[in-house]
Amino acid sequence: GENVEQHPSTLSVQEGDSAVIKCTYSDSASNYFPWYKQELGKRPQLIIDIRSNVGEKKDQRIAVTLNKTAKHFSLHITETQPEDSAVYFCAAPDRGSTLGRLYFGRGTQLTVWP
Amino acid sequence: GAGVSQSPSNKVTEKGKDVELRCDPISGHTALYWYRQSLGQGLEFLIYFQGNSAPDKSGLPSDRFSAERTGGSVSTLTIQRTQQEDSAVYLCASSLAAGTTNEKLFFGSGTQLSVL
Repeated sequence: GENVEQHPSTLSVQEGDSAVIKCTYSDSASNYFPWYKQELGKRPQLIIDIRSNVGEKKDQRIAVTLNKTAKHFSLHITETQPEDSAVYFCAAPDRGSTLGRLYFGRGTQLTVWP
Repeated sequence: GAGVSQSPSNKVTEKGKDVELRCDPISGHTALYWYRQSLGQGLEFLIYFQGNSAPDKSGLPSDRFSAERTGGSVSTLTIQRTQQEDSAVYLCASSLAAGTTNEKLFFGSGTQLSVL
């Protein structure tokens, strides 16, 4: 199966600074890498995803980069705001099985201080 | 349209009782996941259904836990002889299909289970 490692587990930044969260995966056949954001007391929601045919994808202040050779991908948040405070989860699928189950990292608690 | 619906939203039970948690995925979604989330913790995988394939049950923590998905739609997670350590939020999620361009997971709002 897939093994997804996520770092750091907690991250504190000043409002306006950038935040970077990194994930590694083990299945070289994985080709889809989503990021989910879970605000306190709410359900996780997809914020951005990337497929293996591109190396970077941006959506306003958030971006995801992918290095297939090194098998790692990162979430970048620029000009952070207090409302970015949440737990962020990365994920990757197990393409080695017919089910294609999605594996999540353990999450990163991001706190943005005003 | 409606999102992923879970019921009940809250369940308080006594230790030793059985509980059933229900998940109604988005219509047409073939993939369905159950996760458990303790306070301040990550997403603990429990079970995964994909179409008509045999489910991936590798995350079920003990034989007290079981899940079914009838007709490829509604799923029920059953916990027998509940223990206090079973207290957590149980999240259900569904997606249109794995391995396609429609793998976005939609999560339900969860069932908060409290075992007294």
